Amino acid sequence: EAQVTQNPRYLITVTGKKLTVTCSQNMNHEYMSWYRQDPGLGLRQIYYSMNVEVTDKGDVPEGYKVSRKEKRNFPLILESPSPNQTSLYFCASSLSAGRADTQYFGPGTRLTVL
Amino acid sequence: QKEVEQDPGPLSVPEGAIVSLNCTYSNSAFQYFMWYRQYSRKGPELLMYTYSSGNKEDGRFTAQVDKSSKYISLFIRDSQPSDSATYLCARPHGSSNTGKLIFGQGTTLQVKP
Repeated sequence: EAQVTQNPRYLITVTGKKLTVTCSQNMNHEYMSWYRQDPGLGLRQIYYSMNVEVTDKGDVPEGYKVSRKEKRNFPLILESPSPNQTSLYFCASSLSAGRADTQYFGPGTRLTVL
Repeated sequence: QKEVEQDPGPLSVPEGAIVSLNCTYSNSAFQYFMWYRQYSRKGPELLMYTYSSGNKEDGRFTAQVDKSSKYISLFIRDSQPSDSATYLCARPHGSSNTGKLIFGQGTTLQVKP
């Protein structure tokens, strides 16, 4: 089954404690991205990756890091989480940047930073 | 002004009703639009993908674009309780091929049996 998986699905942590949210896709997609979803603000892109070892900032990259060492994985790293990073996070992938018609979203990770 | 605007609702209709969901956009320099459906506690799933003119029909769903008024609509015929979800319109970021999508806030729809 074609899918994007994220782990963990739910996470409660404290300010400053480094964490990683994993994302994996099994569709051999080149393009992957991370979004956060907040009430009243909708979905906003954090980082994206065109392919292995190629990443770039989206609209709200501050406080986040990513890496793309393998095609299937695109982890989101919060080096020092703060309460304003409390949000619902989605990983997405598509065949390529120009193929939004092939885009799949993961199930989401609900993060609470105390 | 937000680039894509949606009335967040909630919108509540009886089963079998025709539903009209709408978005307005401010930048006309792009070629296609998407509608996503998001069930509670799930990720968005692509519902329809339509180019920036005319209508596209898929079963009970019809997507319509009016470029002159910068208006995007999604119509759902014979609505079912299983259609209860948040519907998000989106368009690609226009000026560069980053793959970024610009989303509306989403409209929450409840279809009552």
